Amino acid sequence: AQRVTQPEKLLSVFKGAPVELKCNYSYSGSPELFWYVQYSRQRLQLLLRHISRESIKGFTADLNKGETSFHLKKPFAQEEDSAMYYCALVRNQGGKLIFGQGTELSVKP
Amino acid sequence: GAGVSQTPSNKVTEKGKYVELRCDPISGHTALYWYRQSLGQGPEFLIYFQGTGAADDSGLPNDRFFAVRPEGSVSTLKIQRTERGDSAVYLCASSLTGTVNYGYTFGSGTRLTVV
Repeated sequence: AQRVTQPEKLLSVFKGAPVELKCNYSYSGSPELFWYVQYSRQRLQLLLRHISRESIKGFTADLNKGETSFHLKKPFAQEEDSAMYYCALVRNQGGKLIFGQGTELSVKP
Repeated sequence: GAGVSQTPSNKVTEKGKYVELRCDPISGHTALYWYRQSLGQGPEFLIYFQGTGAADDSGLPNDRFFAVRPEGSVSTLKIQRTERGDSAVYLCASSLTGTVNYGYTFGSGTRLTVV
C-alpha cells in the first residue's frame, strides 16, 4: 500500500538556521511527489513538485529512490516559513493524493 | 470564481442528522476532489470527479457518505446519520484537467462538528 510518513510532528528552529523536513514514502512504482504548505489561517497550497526540480521560496526537495525519501530543505529559515508542511504522493496523474501527517515548522526570531 | 469556494465554513450538527457540504470549484476546472482532515492528521482522500462522474470513490468510508456533481461544476458531499467520528474539516479541491502534476487548488474547507 502507498504510504507517506513524516516522522516529526513539530520542528522548531531559529531564524537563519538550516531546515530539513523529513518525508519517507512507500510505493512500489515510480511515484510523483509534492510538498504542500498551509500558513496560519490560509488554504492548503502547493509548494513544490519533484518533477519540476524547482526551488520555491528557497526550499528544495530531492527525490531519493534508494532511500524512498523526499526531504524538504532550506539553508536559512525565515520567520515567515512557519507553517504546516505536508508531503504527498500520487500514483497516477489523475488520481488521489496521499498525504503524510504533516510537520509543523516553527521558526523563532 | 477566483478560487474554490466551500460553504458553509462551519457546521455544527447533532448526531444522527443529515448534512450537505457544498463545493464550488474554479470555473472551467473539470476535476474535483473531496478530502477529509481530522485533527492532527493530513488530508485523507474521499472521492474524485472528472466532469459529472465519480472517477474514484474508493476513499468514501461507508455508505453514509455520498457525493454528487450533476452538472460538472458544483459538488455536494452528503453525510447521512452523522456520527461524532465524522467531525473533521472537509476540503474540496479542483484542477484544470485532472493532471495532478500541476497541483490542486484547495478551498478553505468546511469544519464539521457532530455533537
